[in-house]
Amino acid sequence: QSVLTQPPSASGTPGQRVTISCSGSSSNIGSNFVFWYQQLPGTAPKLLIYRNNQRPSGVPDRFSGSKSGTSASLAISGLRSEDEANYYCATWDDSLSGWVFGGGTKLTVL
Amino acid sequence: QVRLVQSGAEVKKPGSSVKVSCKASGGTFSNYAISWVRQAPGQGLEWMGGIIPIFGATTYAQKFQGRVTITADTSSSTAHLELSSLRSDDTAVYYCAREIGVGTPPMNGMDVWGQGTTVTVSS
Repeated sequence: QSVLTQPPSASGTPGQRVTISCSGSSSNIGSNFVFWYQQLPGTAPKLLIYRNNQRPSGVPDRFSGSKSGTSASLAISGLRSEDEANYYCATWDDSLSGWVFGGGTKLTVL
Repeated sequence: QVRLVQSGAEVKKPGSSVKVSCKASGGTFSNYAISWVRQAPGQGLEWMGGIIPIFGATTYAQKFQGRVTITADTSSSTAHLELSSLRSDDTAVYYCAREIGVGTPPMNGMDVWGQGTTVTVSS
């Protein structure tokens, strides 16, 4: 059971906009930055969003992040087939004094 | 550009220990923290612990306390993860990852990842 809650799956057609939610608590999302990682099959995770809504260099602006209270979300607009991957939210948990991850959301591009 | 290069796959017996290394190529450990994250087959990401190499300060996830040891050698820019009393459910891909900055809570996320090391625990 993950500390952060994500839907196990999401889907969309090319060109659509999809959102993936991430729910936590006051000791993690409520008081710290949220990060999002993309993991393509058979590869290491890649940092997609940092500090709630910032994109590292090279990440397309089709990807955006937001946070409100103890929840966060990742939005992907203009969906493309290469976006098919697993997406994980993560944050620091003050009570656990460590990183916590969501269970991951498998995005399927129909 | 820094790359993290991990040691090769391991096959271990239950009850034994494994040590995985992570070497920074093209850079050093200055002003970075190194985390270890594992992923069991078909499962999600699980943080195990981390180290700030320049201070030698470590933090471990409660689940692994007493079984995991993370060390770092700044002279060779290499971090190590040692996991003892291995069980079959320790079978996983183990990743090291870099975090820029050494503060708590972390502010920048894990921006560089190693390629992963597969550890298989089987009798």
